[in-house]
Amino acid sequence: AQSVTQPDIHITVSEGASLELRCNYSYGATPYLFWYVQSPGQGLQLLLKYFSGDTLVQGIKGFEAEFKRSQSSFNLRKPSVHWSDAAEYFCAVGRGGADGLTFGKGTHLIIQP
Amino acid sequence: ETGVTQTPRHLVMGMTNKKSLKCEQHLGHNAMYWYKQSAKKPLELMFVYNFKEQTENNSVPSRFSPECPNSSHLFLHLHTLQPEDSALYLCASSPRLAHPEQYFGPGTRLTVT
Repeated sequence: AQSVTQPDIHITVSEGASLELRCNYSYGATPYLFWYVQSPGQGLQLLLKYFSGDTLVQGIKGFEAEFKRSQSSFNLRKPSVHWSDAAEYFCAVGRGGADGLTFGKGTHLIIQP
Repeated sequence: ETGVTQTPRHLVMGMTNKKSLKCEQHLGHNAMYWYKQSAKKPLELMFVYNFKEQTENNSVPSRFSPECPNSSHLFLHLHTLQPEDSALYLCASSPRLAHPEQYFGPGTRLTVT
């Protein structure tokens, strides 16, 4: 069965500092990978996705993620965070179909001034 | 309206009440999903519809009853809920079932008293 692990429940970063959120997955086939962001009281917004091709993908709001097949990882990065990046971040895996997406438990990002 | 909308945004109901959650997508998609988001747990896929036909029911208790009258609308009918059913209920849609990229609504925050 597929699974997604986000090992960091909370991460605190100073504004302007770089950010990396970790995501590891277990999947039987080559997965499609996603990062979503959820602000308080809101639904999930898609930040970026990986289907195939270049393993470094760019997303919205200055985020990028790198797919590393050998490590079963899809870590999210941003070179300089802004206070508005404070939110919950979810990594997800799936290939479509009736199974939908499998999500990690999320990482809560706190931005220090 | 654009994207995926959900009403109501907040709902408080007693255990003997009957209520319904509504989801509408304005994206021309053909697949729709209900997820449950509880604190400290990954999103749980509840129901999947493809072209109005239910394709998945992930062992959801019968007190939750979905309805999909057309590809744009999805309902979740609730009756005799339990306090542990309190959660954020998220609706999502995708262009078709085989397409893994899902677009989420803002959710309905349900509290069962």
